Amino acid sequence: QKEVEQNSGPLSVPEGAIASLNCTYSDRGSQSFFWYRQYSGKSPELIMFIYSNGDKEDGRFTAQLNKASQYVSLLIRDSQPSDSATYLCAVSVNYGGSQGNLIFGKGTKLSVKP
Amino acid sequence: NAGVTQTPKFQVLKTGQSMTLQCAQDMNHNSMYWYRQDPGMGLRLIYYSASEGTTDKGEVPNGYNVSRLNKREFSLRLESAAPSQTSVYFCASSEFSVWDYGNTIYFGEGSWLTVV
Repeated sequence: QKEVEQNSGPLSVPEGAIASLNCTYSDRGSQSFFWYRQYSGKSPELIMFIYSNGDKEDGRFTAQLNKASQYVSLLIRDSQPSDSATYLCAVSVNYGGSQGNLIFGKGTKLSVKP
Repeated sequence: NAGVTQTPKFQVLKTGQSMTLQCAQDMNHNSMYWYRQDPGMGLRLIYYSASEGTTDKGEVPNGYNVSRLNKREFSLRLESAAPSQTSVYFCASSEFSVWDYGNTIYFGEGSWLTVV
């Protein structure tokens, strides 16, 4: 069973702090890793993707990947109340069909307090 | 640019009824997907279509059928709805496979389905 694990939270941080979201995955063959943000009642929207070990920065967001440890994380610097949402980690897997697909973790709920 | 459009947005069905969820994308993407999202279960892949004319099962295909009508459209059919199919359904698309670097999945706004 291919799995993606996330702490469900809620993770509560004060405004301006760094929020750290973590994800582990089971399939060593996974090649692509994504972070989505989902506001309540809305669809997931892509924040970042990462393919190589190390860090990738985009504005206030930094994704970190460690394939040896099968671990992906997302750091949000200078957290804002508008960052309050559920963050979904997604990992590429192959179900044996014609192409790879994404499996998603259950998400971590982040709350940023003013 | 509408992106991925799903209809209907809300639907209530009685057990045993059938219905089709429609999805269309205007991004000229090759791959399309249907996911369901349930509280505490996360997003789970039902079926996908890597390209026009092909469909494959995902993680939870039982009770569903799909049709890739053309490159733009990918429909999901519930032949005999069951209360366990109460969920939020998301259609999504990507230009190519997620194995290909630089490709990711973009979601429609979701369809809320209740089976009573």
